[in-house]
This record gives sequence, C-alpha cells and structure tokens, in this order.
Amino acid sequence: AQKITQTQPGMFVQEKEAVTLDCTYDTSDPSYGLFWYKQPSSGEMIFLIYQGSYDQQNATEGRYSLNFQKARKSANLVISASQLGDSAMYFCAMRESSGGSYIPTFGRGTSLIVHP
Amino acid sequence: GAGVSQTPSNKVTEKGKYVELRCDPISGHTALYWYRQSLGQGPEFLIYFQGTGAADDSGLPNDRFFAVRPEGSVSTLKIQRTERGDSAVYLCASSTGASGGRDTQYFGPGTRLTVL
Repeated sequence: AQKITQTQPGMFVQEKEAVTLDCTYDTSDPSYGLFWYKQPSSGEMIFLIYQGSYDQQNATEGRYSLNFQKARKSANLVISASQLGDSAMYFCAMRESSGGSYIPTFGRGTSLIVHP
Repeated sequence: GAGVSQTPSNKVTEKGKYVELRCDPISGHTALYWYRQSLGQGPEFLIYFQGTGAADDSGLPNDRFFAVRPEGSVSTLKIQRTERGDSAVYLCASSTGASGGRDTQYFGPGTRLTVL
C-alpha cells in the first residue's frame, strides 16, 4: 500500500485565490511527522511546512497552512492568496519514528499552476 | 548561510562508464541523504549517512551504486557501469540528525544524470 497518496496530479488556481492540495497517508506508527516541499522548475526541493502527529494545532507558515485531520489520516496543504511564483510541483512526505528509521517517504506530487 | 550544494549540475555519460556525484551538506549537519528522482515521480530514497557511516543503504538498487562520506561532511555517490535506466535527477539532502520526526531535510539543487 502507498504510504503517501497525492490524488491530484495537476491543479489550476487563479492568482490571489486560495488552493488546497490533498495528501493522505498510511501508518500504524503513533509518532510521525508530515512535511510539504515545493519543487519549482529549477529542481530544488524547498521545505514549506511540518506537522507532528502529536501537535495539537495545525501548522502555519506565512501563506501556508496544513489542514491536519488525524483520524482521517490527511494532511492537506492550503496556500492562501496564490502568487504566480507558487507555480511548481508540491510533494507531501511522511517520516515514521518507530524502528529508528528516519527516512521519509514521498508522494508522487501535485503540479500547481497559478494563472493571472 | 550556505545551503546544500551538488556538483556537477548536469552529467552526460555513455552506457558502461563510471560517474561520481558530489554533495556538500549544510555546515554542521550530521545527517546526509541521497535520493533519485525520475520524471513525474517523487524522490526515491537511496542511502542515509549519520556522520561517516551509512546508517541505512536499503534504497541502493544494486551493487553498481555506492556512496561514501569519509570525513562526515562531503559525500560522493558512485555509479559503476552506468545503464540508461540510471538516468534521473540525483538529489542530496542534509539535516541536523536530531532524533524524532521533526528533523527537517534541506535539499540541494540536484545533479541531472543522462546516460546515453
């Protein structure tokens, strides 16, 4: 089974609008971390936001927020007030803490295009 | 401060040749990761170093792939007898190596390897 599922291969949003990128995950580990990365056409993976499984509040970083629904095992990224520079691939990743492994698993990504 | 750097940015080689890809992590980061990213996919884990030792090499696809980090800083990924299927972007990431899920990885710009 896929550990990270990103069901939207591509998304379009108008500049200044908000957009939600979906991510669901599968784990039996009670302790885990969820990450979102942005990958523009230049190729570099840019860290955006982190959510720990025990964090009581949804993570926020500027225009990025994470809609964390633990019971549903979903960690959707919300980008408010989209900008043209937000056009990129977005990857969700999970890192489980059990067994001492610190290797995150990445989803297949969602391509976001922001148009004027 | 300086981020993760990778050299070369692009490498074109012929089938059967040997290549070396270099990664220079963020200063002070003890953990270093190598990933491979094929077109339309998320990063695929190859190997993880904690200090000088390979803590997890379970992602290396076969014995043609090898990586070293002799002084606990710079790492080199070595691929022998390259095959066309090795063509991909090779990403390097580093982190502080703190235990638990919150340890965030910071990625370099990647090396695009093309095997003709």
